[in-house]
Amino acid sequence: DIHMTQSPSSLSASVGDRVTITCRATQNIVDYLTWFQHKPGRAPRLLIYAASTLQSGVPSRFSGSGSGIDFTLTISSLQPEDFGTYYCQQSYITPLTFGGGTKVEIK
Amino acid sequence: EVHLVESGGGVVQPGRSLRLSCTASGFTFGDRAMSWFRLAPGKGLEWVGFIRTRPYGGTTEYAASVTGRFTISRDDSRSIAYLQMNSLKTEDTAVYYCTRDRCSGGSCYSADYWGQGTLVTVSS
Repeated sequence: DIHMTQSPSSLSASVGDRVTITCRATQNIVDYLTWFQHKPGRAPRLLIYAASTLQSGVPSRFSGSGSGIDFTLTISSLQPEDFGTYYCQQSYITPLTFGGGTKVEIK
Repeated sequence: EVHLVESGGGVVQPGRSLRLSCTASGFTFGDRAMSWFRLAPGKGLEWVGFIRTRPYGGTTEYAASVTGRFTISRDDSRSIAYLQMNSLKTEDTAVYYCTRDRCSGGSCYSADYWGQGTLVTVSS
């Protein structure tokens, strides 16, 4: 199985800050990497797929980069509504696997 | 607008069975692979399994933790996906989500829409 390591596990940042979350795979997954946002009690939301493609309707302050084994999700200017837990997921091969999540809090 | 609504969750004793349903609307259900994921208390997201579209055989794949106990099926005429869960264990306690595959036809193993989830509690 491909193991996904996400960091940090949590962060607290101010509105307007640039936030970076990283995700590392245990083997080459090319660009088969998806990022989700999850808020308590709500359906998870697709943000980025194919490592860097922004899902329709997602604000442009979200961006993804990387290929191979190292990937990054960046929020260029953190907004109050960006709180929640962010997950990366590899879609290269089954079993599909997730990073452990990054809980983002607004200071 | 795409909507996925899970139902059928509840409290069940270990060893018993439960069937979850995912009712879809807003898209051509038969064109998309459907998946189930779960989020256990204090843990991260976990893939449970998926079912391909009929043109791709309608075949299924499962996580090792549920293989042999869980079965995914679909009724394209009613736009419903099912998750039959047998021999439930306490570690199956989680919120279960159904998802629509982002790609039409074959699966690209990436979900673009998720339901709100349904809670399954396995406890004696």
